[in-house]
Amino acid sequence: NAGVTQTPKFQVLKTGQSMTLQCAQDMNHNSMYWYRQDPGMGLRLIYYSASEGTTDKGEVPNGYNVSRLNKREFSLRLESAAPSQTSVYFCASNLGGNQPQHFGDGTRLSIL
Amino acid sequence: GQSLEQPSEVTAVEGAIVQINCTYQTSGFYGLSWYQQHDGGAPTFLSYNALDGLEETGRFSSFLSRSDSYGYLLLQELQMKDSASYFCAVKGYQKVTFGTGTKLQVIP
Repeated sequence: NAGVTQTPKFQVLKTGQSMTLQCAQDMNHNSMYWYRQDPGMGLRLIYYSASEGTTDKGEVPNGYNVSRLNKREFSLRLESAAPSQTSVYFCASNLGGNQPQHFGDGTRLSIL
Repeated sequence: GQSLEQPSEVTAVEGAIVQINCTYQTSGFYGLSWYQQHDGGAPTFLSYNALDGLEETGRFSSFLSRSDSYGYLLLQELQMKDSASYFCAVKGYQKVTFGTGTKLQVIP
């Protein structure tokens, strides 16, 4: 089992460019999450999808959009990248509620 | 809202025992989880407490006191590979909120 797969692993963007981070899970999980991790800030929730067809804002949603394409896939889009969005982005999934979250390996994104 | 506090850094000797504390404030509480993250890696789930008391999984134990809004992770027989960051996380009404993490350094 691959678990949670994120692509790309690394990306460098210029300010104003757009891009989509992809996430797919093969564990038949209902819920999926996008976090960003900055030094000393822990993991901050950007958006989550409790089930297929639903998405909700987390703690830091500004500047991002998401799409729950199907049960397996949950993408994160930066429409107009800003240097403040330089971070490591993690996708996670779980069965829902308080079940353990399984994380992907992360996408390291730098915006110049 | 939800907020969590945990120490930013802890240093302990190989073979010893270390306790990492976590206090939380939350609107609605369904459980306290712990995750481990090695440098450059992804967080991995360690343990979960929904009820008061101690949960033991091998060398790791986790404790919860809901009345005190407090929990801790206990690592016994420390090994060098335990050097990592440890995050507590609270499940509220809608979502999970992570603490800022405790960086554990295990020294020989």
